[in-house]
Amino acid sequence: KAGVTQTPRYLIKTRGQQVTLSCSPISGHRSVSWYQQTPGQGLQFLFEYFSETQRNKGNFPGRFSGRQFSNSRSEMNVSTLELGDSALYLCASSLGQGYGNTIYFGEGSWLTVV
Amino acid sequence: DAKTTQPTSMDCAEGRAANLPCNHSTISGNEYVYWYRQIHSQGPQYIIHGLKNNETNEMASLIITEDRKSSTLILPHATLRDTAVYYCIVRVPNAGNMLTFGGGTRLMVKP
Repeated sequence: KAGVTQTPRYLIKTRGQQVTLSCSPISGHRSVSWYQQTPGQGLQFLFEYFSETQRNKGNFPGRFSGRQFSNSRSEMNVSTLELGDSALYLCASSLGQGYGNTIYFGEGSWLTVV
Repeated sequence: DAKTTQPTSMDCAEGRAANLPCNHSTISGNEYVYWYRQIHSQGPQYIIHGLKNNETNEMASLIITEDRKSSTLILPHATLRDTAVYYCIVRVPNAGNMLTFGGGTRLMVKP
């Protein structure tokens, strides 16, 4: 069974640009969540989607957005990139939304903003 | 939300058991304890989780104290590939799939 797949794995963007990251959850998983990992702040929750609806949101500015499609795939977008947005962006999926559901992570997308 | 406290770093000799402690003294009765690890530059890997009883799987064992205020993750025979940052996380019922990561324990397995 394939795991959580994220694309692209590495990318470099210029300050002010926008970026879209994609995530394919494990087959059958309906919940997708996104995290940002930086050396200074560690792993931080961005948002969670279930049945195409945002269910939870972390403390990030509105430049960070996401969506989920009917096939449970998800994308996140960061607009007007800042140097501080350089990070590892992780997608995670689980069968459902209940806290007894195990969450599985992808390998992440490394974003560098220059 | 229940906060967890873990040692910043630990060493373990290859082939020996690695015992990683976690304190979660404010945990509520219906909150799960989850353990993940992150090997350098990879996504966090699920290890094990438990509510009240001790749990074991092919990767590790989880020992939860009777009062649930602390737990220990045990890697029975640590290998060099177990070198990673280990995160102990308490999952709360009203937080959906939001995980709150602390700093974790950096486990170094030495030959």
